[in-house]
Amino acid sequence: DAGVTQSPTHLIKTRGQQVTLRCSPKSGHDTVSWYQQALGQGPQFIFQYYEEEERQRGNFPDRFSGHQFPNYSSELNVNALLLGDSALYLCASSPWDRYSSGNTIYFGEGSWLTVV
Amino acid sequence: QQQVKQSPQSLIVQKGGIPIINCAYENTAFDYFPWYQQFPGKGPALLIAIRPDVSEKKEGRFTISFNKSAKQFSLHIMDSQPGDSATYFCAANAGNNRKLIWGLGTSLAVNP
Repeated sequence: DAGVTQSPTHLIKTRGQQVTLRCSPKSGHDTVSWYQQALGQGPQFIFQYYEEEERQRGNFPDRFSGHQFPNYSSELNVNALLLGDSALYLCASSPWDRYSSGNTIYFGEGSWLTVV
Repeated sequence: QQQVKQSPQSLIVQKGGIPIINCAYENTAFDYFPWYQQFPGKGPALLIAIRPDVSEKKEGRFTISFNKSAKQFSLHIMDSQPGDSATYFCAANAGNNRKLIWGLGTSLAVNP
């Protein structure tokens, strides 16, 4: 049973460019959340997707957008990259119906983005 | 405002010791409290989680103690090993809210 998988694992982009990160949730999970973790900090919630809709959003600008596909996989897009966007981007998956399915939230290994 | 307060920020113990990491929360709606272990360059790995209807949960060498009245919970690592050296995060969420509220993390070093 594959856990949460993310790609790519590492990438380097130039300021102003755009990036797309991908996530496949754990089998049986239908909800995907994205977090940004700067070096030495805790994860910061970006947004969450369920049924192909953005359900919650953290305090991130509109340059951060996402998408969820019918197979529950998800993409995170960041436009007009800034140096401050350099971070580990984490995908978390969980079942939406926590009470019948159990509320377990698992993370992928993350995608390291460096903006130069 | 930090909704989940974690302490200490860093901790050093000798092999075999029992490091204890504490977290406190204010939101009484929180009903799920996981602990994550994170190694450098890796994503957080779910260690153990507890709900407020139990006061203690053990999984292997990891134990969560939960005090609902005090709104506190803690992680104990029995017989700690150098391989346990990592950053530990407590977190919480409420209801169907999938957004985790995180503590600031504790950097644990276990000396051989």
